[in-house]
Amino acid sequence: QLQLQESGPGLVKPSETLSLTCSVSGGSIISSNYYWAWIRQPPGKGLEWIGSIGSNYFSGKTFYKPSLKSRVAISIDASKNQFSLKVSSVTAADTAVYFCVREYESAPNYWGQGTLVTVSS
Amino acid sequence: QSALTQPASVSGSPGQSITISCTGTSSDIGSYNFVSWYQQYPGKAPKLMIYEVSKWPSGISNRFSGSKSGNTASLTISGLQAEDEADYYCCSHAGGSSPHVIFGGGTKVTVL
Repeated sequence: QLQLQESGPGLVKPSETLSLTCSVSGGSIISSNYYWAWIRQPPGKGLEWIGSIGSNYFSGKTFYKPSLKSRVAISIDASKNQFSLKVSSVTAADTAVYFCVREYESAPNYWGQGTLVTVSS
Repeated sequence: QSALTQPASVSGSPGQSITISCTGTSSDIGSYNFVSWYQQYPGKAPKLMIYEVSKWPSGISNRFSGSKSGNTASLTISGLQAEDEADYYCCSHAGGSSPHVIFGGGTKVTVL
């Protein structure tokens, strides 16, 4: 059974870079033709798709939410079976629970449990 | 890239059927059959209930059904049960010059 687990700092200072890693177990990232994505949910609010990266056949191709594109980067570390998220120049508006997911046909079907990241000085 | 539009809340009595609408545009729901629906309990990760408009993932009850007409997708829950009380989100592929995925604002389902 595929499992995803987010990890990273729970507190980030304004203007700094938020960095999260998603560890995948129960399957190989690079040997499967899927997109791996990040989604976030501010406290008490709805879901927001951040971006995704393709593996294997999709050869590392990335897609980002247009309004976040200038601040976001997603990458894969095949040797560790992980993928990562970086969001630069964070503000309080970036405070959220961050989920890593595997997508199938634009539908996130496997989710991590989520990790809360708070942006505060 | 505006969020898809969902009603803030929908309610129904046990055994009844309810429908949640999700309205997008010709750039997302209207152009692609990549619409999915998620159920989320407080403090938990969302769970995929419907994908590709009307398909069920393994293990999902057929009390949940999806459909689409034009720029609007719908999720129907039949035989409403207390355990169906949760937040529901629709999701769609969005095309254009920068393809991405877009969510609805979410609908709180209350079982009376």
